[in-house]
Amino acid sequence: DTAVSQTPKYLVTQMGNDKSIKCEQNLGHDTMYWYKQDSKKFLKIMFSYNNKELIINETVPNRFSPKSPDKAHLNLHINSLELGDSAVYFCASSQLAGVNTGELFFGEGSRLTVL
Amino acid sequence: KQEVTQIPAALSVPEGENLVLNCSFTDSAIYNLQWFRQDPGKGLTSLLLIQSSQREQTSGRLNASLDKSSGRSTLYIAASQPGDSATYLCAVRRGSGGSNYKLTFGKGTLLTVNP
Repeated sequence: DTAVSQTPKYLVTQMGNDKSIKCEQNLGHDTMYWYKQDSKKFLKIMFSYNNKELIINETVPNRFSPKSPDKAHLNLHINSLELGDSAVYFCASSQLAGVNTGELFFGEGSRLTVL
Repeated sequence: KQEVTQIPAALSVPEGENLVLNCSFTDSAIYNLQWFRQDPGKGLTSLLLIQSSQREQTSGRLNASLDKSSGRSTLYIAASQPGDSATYLCAVRRGSGGSNYKLTFGKGTLLTVNP
């Protein structure tokens, strides 16, 4: 069973379109994250939710909107896609209390290409 | 603002060699430090998590140390194998509560182990 799963794995779309990436974790964690990995492979946090509450909201365009229907799911919706949005988007989860507090587990990534 | 640096950026070694990867961070007030490996086109796999109160963690041929006061961590890989070839990333978590849950990543060390 995949611990953190994201769909789709690949997404190719035109500029100006709206797209969503979904993420689910079956680890029972209370916190989920979206990270962006750019072409230089640098990973940067975008958002984090703890028990469905937004706790981290880095400086990203408001075209990016996360949604957490429950603590096992965190989806990312992107409006009016731009060329610069092309990247790999990683979902991750962690548990913020107990043994190994804060250890992050990542999904396989969703490679977004905007043409 | 926390900055994480990993040296070297790339390393190529013959199979069987022991090696050390370095990670340094500018703000020593960290909550924990985590080492990951990333294979090409894949997500990140957690290798070792060191809490701020710990000095080292071991898993198989891997040993990670943490010197919080000097802002350094090392990842030691014993008897390297071609399967160890990957990018190794170091990440630090600033503290507990709110936006401190985020990890700050280094840019990684690309390791190639030659048969």
